[in-house]
Amino acid sequence: AQTVTQSQPEMSVQEAETVTLSCTYDTSESDYYLFWYKQPPSRQMILVIRQEAYKQQNATENRFSVNFQKAAKSFSLKISDSQLGDAAMYFCAYPSGTYKYIFGTGTRLKVLA
Amino acid sequence: GAGVSQSPSNKVTEKGKDVELRCDPISGHTALYWYRQRLGQGLEFLIYFQGNSAPDKSGLPSDRFSAERTGESVSTLTIQRTQQEDSAVYLCASSLIPGVDNEKLFFGSGTQLSVL
Repeated sequence: AQTVTQSQPEMSVQEAETVTLSCTYDTSESDYYLFWYKQPPSRQMILVIRQEAYKQQNATENRFSVNFQKAAKSFSLKISDSQLGDAAMYFCAYPSGTYKYIFGTGTRLKVLA
Repeated sequence: GAGVSQSPSNKVTEKGKDVELRCDPISGHTALYWYRQRLGQGLEFLIYFQGNSAPDKSGLPSDRFSAERTGESVSTLTIQRTQQEDSAVYLCASSLIPGVDNEKLFFGSGTQLSVL
């Protein structure tokens, strides 16, 4: 069965520093996508970044980048130059089949001023 | 609309009452999803609509839960005879093209349901 695991319930980072959030997943498929979503206190989930498994190059979106290790089934999110507005819950997600997204349990990120 | 809209934002009800949660997806989005998020947990898939058809209802936790969708528009999630374990945030999402696994989901802000 496909699973997504986030082993860090909570992380803290000093403003302007870098933090890495971990995610591992399990799948037997070879081509797939992976996503990181951010959920601020407003509860609205926002897509942060997505990775295509067949691409060797790690995805990057401004201060957000991923470290995708396909063989290890690891998909971590790196946030550089952390800002106060980055404080939120972060969820790793994997689309199982064509529509059933599987989400991890989330990591709460605190940004310290 | 500009985004996915959910109502009510918060709902407090008594155990045993029925509740209806509403979701207005982004105009033109054919795919619509309902998820449940219990406190401190991840998102739990409930149901998926492609147009007004629900090919997968496997995530609905019991027969007290039902959902319908009118065309490619509004969806309602109904919980009958609510129980305390139904307390959670119910999130709705929509996407433009169903069945595409790289498709970005657009989420609403959810309905916080509290069953007393």
